[in-house]
Amino acid sequence: EDKVVQSPLSLVVHEGDTVTLNCSYEVTNFRSLLWYKQEKKAPTFLFMLTSSGIEKKSGRLSSILDKKELSSILNITATQTGDSAIYLCAVDRQGAQKLVFGQGTRLTINP
Amino acid sequence: DTAVSQTPKYLVTQMGNDKSIKCEQNLGHDTMYWYKQDSKKFLKIMFSYNNKELIINETVPNRFSPKSPDKAHLNLHINSLELGDSAVYFCASSSRTSAAGELFFGEGSRLTVL
Repeated sequence: EDKVVQSPLSLVVHEGDTVTLNCSYEVTNFRSLLWYKQEKKAPTFLFMLTSSGIEKKSGRLSSILDKKELSSILNITATQTGDSAIYLCAVDRQGAQKLVFGQGTRLTINP
Repeated sequence: DTAVSQTPKYLVTQMGNDKSIKCEQNLGHDTMYWYKQDSKKFLKIMFSYNNKELIINETVPNRFSPKSPDKAHLNLHINSLELGDSAVYFCASSSRTSAAGELFFGEGSRLTVL
């Protein structure tokens, strides 16, 4: 069965710190890995990663995929209180037509 | 304009009742989904429809019956509600039929069963 595990489950840091969130997966016929941010309501899309070693970047957020290690990291630099959210990792596999989500990392940024 | 909209946003009901949640997307996507998010924030797929056709049914009790009258709408009806059905139900859509790809989520419908 496909499996996605995120760590840590919960993280509390101070504004300005840099954080790294981890996602590991076990899935047959892997196609892509996606990161979402969930604040109060709907998860919103951050990144889709398909190729190993190529960093995707959006402002202070960046992510990279390691297909050899079956993992991905999401980095957030110079964190702000608005980064407080649950960050969800999900994988998509060939022919599955669904995303399998990890349990999320709850990130809290204190001022 | 809201891309994926769900109604109602909140539902509080008694055990044994029947309830429905409606979802509509105006993105022109072919595929729609229902996901359930439990109290630990774990998002799990329930159903997927592609152009009104059921594609995925993830061992969900048959008290849950999805219906897709057209590709822009996917409704969820739940019979004989149980305490364990309490969760947030998210509708989502995507544009690629052969891959989940990027999902666009609705804001969720929080169901509380008393």
